[in-house]
Amino acid sequence: QVQLVESGGGVVQPGRSLRLSCATSGFTFNTYPMHWVRQAPGKGLEWVAVISYDGSYQDYADSVRGRFTISRDNSKKTLYLQMSSLRIEDTAVFYCARDRFITSIDWIFDLSGRGTLVSVSS
Amino acid sequence: NFMLTQSRSVSESPGMTVTISCTGNSGSIASNYVQWYQQRPGSAPTTVIYANKERPSGVPDRFSGAIDTSSNSASLTISGLKTEDEADYYCQTREVFGGGTKLTVL
Repeated sequence: QVQLVESGGGVVQPGRSLRLSCATSGFTFNTYPMHWVRQAPGKGLEWVAVISYDGSYQDYADSVRGRFTISRDNSKKTLYLQMSSLRIEDTAVFYCARDRFITSIDWIFDLSGRGTLVSVSS
Repeated sequence: NFMLTQSRSVSESPGMTVTISCTGNSGSIASNYVQWYQQRPGSAPTTVIYANKERPSGVPDRFSGAIDTSSNSASLTISGLKTEDEADYYCQTREVFGGGTKLTVL
């Protein structure tokens, strides 16, 4: 079955950087678009970024554009989120999500992982 | 900016039926598929409805989704409520999530 295991979260000071990883298994990783979705403590879900199945296309929420970079290594079946210039309001649980169908971005999220907590604090 | 609005909370008794609504503020909600996610306390979200009305395998047929173009809204209906249905429910279309509805089953 689909497995998504996020890692790399932790406590970081404002202005610093952090890289999240999402190790995947149970499906053909290089055929699916992937996303990052986050949830601030006690708040709702927020889409963060998307990357096409081959890595040629990325898009970002306005709140992170220019600070976060989504990437993937299809040989390692792993998704990444490089976060820089972190702000206190970036504090959240970050989930990686697979699109439901292959190739084209369908915006139907399969959120199978437990997420990784990023806490930005001085 | 496009937004999805959900009521903050709803409560109903076990065995009854509840409908949770999700209204778009502009455009046509039918232009893209709507999904519904269930998030139980302390757990990650899971999909209960995708592509407006489809149920992933393992989701009971007590869960159903619909689109109403006249009100530019989507709805999630849960029949035969069980205590295990108590959770937060989020609608979503493209990059936009609704604010979530807390369902209490009492």
